[in-house]
Parts: sequence; structure tokens; C-alpha cells
Amino acid sequence: DVKVTQSSRYLVKRTGEKVFLECVQDMDHENMFWYRQDPGLGLRLIYFSYDVKMKEKGDIPEGYSVSREKKERFSLILESASTNQTSMYLCASSPGLGVYYEQYFGPGTRLTVT
Amino acid sequence: QQPVQSPQAVILREGEDAVINCSSSKALYSVHWYRQKHGEAPVFLMILLKGGEQKGHDKISASFNEKKQQSSLYLTASQLSYSGTYFCGTEKSGTYKYIFGTGTRLKVLA
Repeated sequence: DVKVTQSSRYLVKRTGEKVFLECVQDMDHENMFWYRQDPGLGLRLIYFSYDVKMKEKGDIPEGYSVSREKKERFSLILESASTNQTSMYLCASSPGLGVYYEQYFGPGTRLTVT
Repeated sequence: QQPVQSPQAVILREGEDAVINCSSSKALYSVHWYRQKHGEAPVFLMILLKGGEQKGHDKISASFNEKKQQSSLYLTASQLSYSGTYFCGTEKSGTYKYIFGTGTRLKVLA
């Protein structure tokens, strides 16, 4: 089974802090994604990566950056956390890009910024 | 444009059936369905593609109407384990970026 793990289930940070969310997948997938999940808004794509060091902006990249130095690891960085970034963050990986490929999600990190 | 799901929430008794709909204002070429149980990761259920091809769960059925730009997920003889939030998603054409609906909360009671 594909396993996607995220470094923390719960995280509390202060406004202005730099925050790192880590995601690791164990199935040698080329593609990895970061979403945020908010009530009433569903899942929204922040960034995705289709290869090591390659990345594409999603629908809501403002205030975030990403890093992919190794194939199995994809990091989401909040350069200066703000209260409106309080959310559930979900990482996913996929064996391919395009309509035929499903995504495998991690359990999520619930981030609270105070 | 985010897909619209209906209903937003539904409560069933075990053994009852439910239909969850996902519609888009733009042309749909594929629809993905996922289920997320409370506190857990979303889990892939099905992919439906233009032309009728399907991939996924053999105990769940779904339809895809390209002309109506709509997909429906059919949950028959529901079990307690079906409880969760169901999401549909579709790719923004040619971008590899997925957009998801806001979800349908399903609760099955004993």
C-alpha cells in the first residue's frame, strides 16, 4: 500500500514564524501535491511538484513556498505565518499526472497560527 | 470553477440508498471521487473518464454524463462504514491541477 506521511498531526505557531510542513511518500511517485482544506471551501491546491526540484503553482500559492530536494519528500513552507493560514494541510502523491491517475493522501496537519 | 456537489449533507439508515451529485459549469473530461472519514486521509474511490472508462472501487457505482457536465455517485445498501465526507474532483483542462468540490457529508445510522 502507498503510504504518505506528514511530519505532524497538530501544530501551533505564532504569527510571523517560519513554518515547515514535511511530507514523505514511499512509493516512488513522481508527483506530489499540497492542499489546504477549509470548511465550506473543500480542498484547494497550493503547489504541486512533478519531479525533483520542479514545482508549479496551484490556485492559492500566495504566502507559501515549497521545496523538493528528494523524490520522496515534499515540503511546504510558510515564510511568515499569518492567522489566515490556520487550516488543515493535506499532502498527496500520484504515480502520474493527468486524468487517469488517482492521488494518495496523507492524514493531514492541522495548523493553528495564533 | 469549483465543482458543485449536492446534497451538502445526508443522513441515512443502514441499508438505505443515496446519490451524491457533482456538477460543473465547464466541460468535464474526467471526475475523481474520494471519501474522507473524520480525522483520516481522503481515500480514492473512482475515476470516471470521458467515453465511459472507469477505474476504481468495484463495490461503488457512479455515472458520468459529459453532456450534462455531471457525475453521480451511487451508494446502495449503505453500511455504517460509508459514513464520511465525499469529494469529487476534476482536472482543469490541460493543467494537471485538480479542483475539488466542497464535499457531501454522509452519515449512516444503525
